[in-house]
Amino acid sequence: AQSVSQHNHHVILSEAASLELGCNYSYGGTVNLFWYVQYPGQHLQLLLKYFSGDPLVKGIKGFEAEFIKSKFSFNLRKPSVQWSDTAEYFCAVKYTGGGNKLTFGTGTQLKVEL
Amino acid sequence: GAGVSQSPSNKVTEKGKDVELRCDPISGHTALYWYRQSLGQGLEFLIYFQGNSAPDKSGLPSDRFSAERTGGSVSTLTIQRTQQEDSAVYLCASSGGTSYEQYFGPGTRLTVT
Repeated sequence: AQSVSQHNHHVILSEAASLELGCNYSYGGTVNLFWYVQYPGQHLQLLLKYFSGDPLVKGIKGFEAEFIKSKFSFNLRKPSVQWSDTAEYFCAVKYTGGGNKLTFGTGTQLKVEL
Repeated sequence: GAGVSQSPSNKVTEKGKDVELRCDPISGHTALYWYRQSLGQGLEFLIYFQGNSAPDKSGLPSDRFSAERTGGSVSTLTIQRTQQEDSAVYLCASSGGTSYEQYFGPGTRLTVT
């Protein structure tokens, strides 16, 4: 079955620390990759996406992610986090041939402390 | 423009009752999706609509769950004879064109007592 793994369930960082959240997906051919974010009290918002081309994609608020096909990974990074980045982050995959549904990871709760 | 809207935002129901959850997608979006988010779980796909038809119902957990979409717009997710394990946040998303980018609504938090 197609699945997405997020290894870190809870991450606590101090402001200005660097962030990397892991995301791995099971093999399933061609994929489209997404990171969504859910700030406290808000709905899910798209942070960034990868469809094709440059495997390093940049999203909003200084976030970026790198698609490494050989590792089936799409890790999210930010060089310097802010308190306002406190949120839950979800990795999601659309498998070509799997319809249009997204397969989500279980999420990573990030808390940034002042 | 307006985003995806869902109603009600919260629903508390007794075990065994039926509930209806509504989703109003972004105007012009032909694709509509229902997901469920249970405590400690990621988002679980339920059903996908393209227009009024549902080519993928593979995520519906049981025959107590059904959904329809009329006029290529509003969708209703119905859960019959609710059980406590149905308690979750039910999320709706819509997408348009070929970007496959899904825009999510605020969700309906369902609590079955």
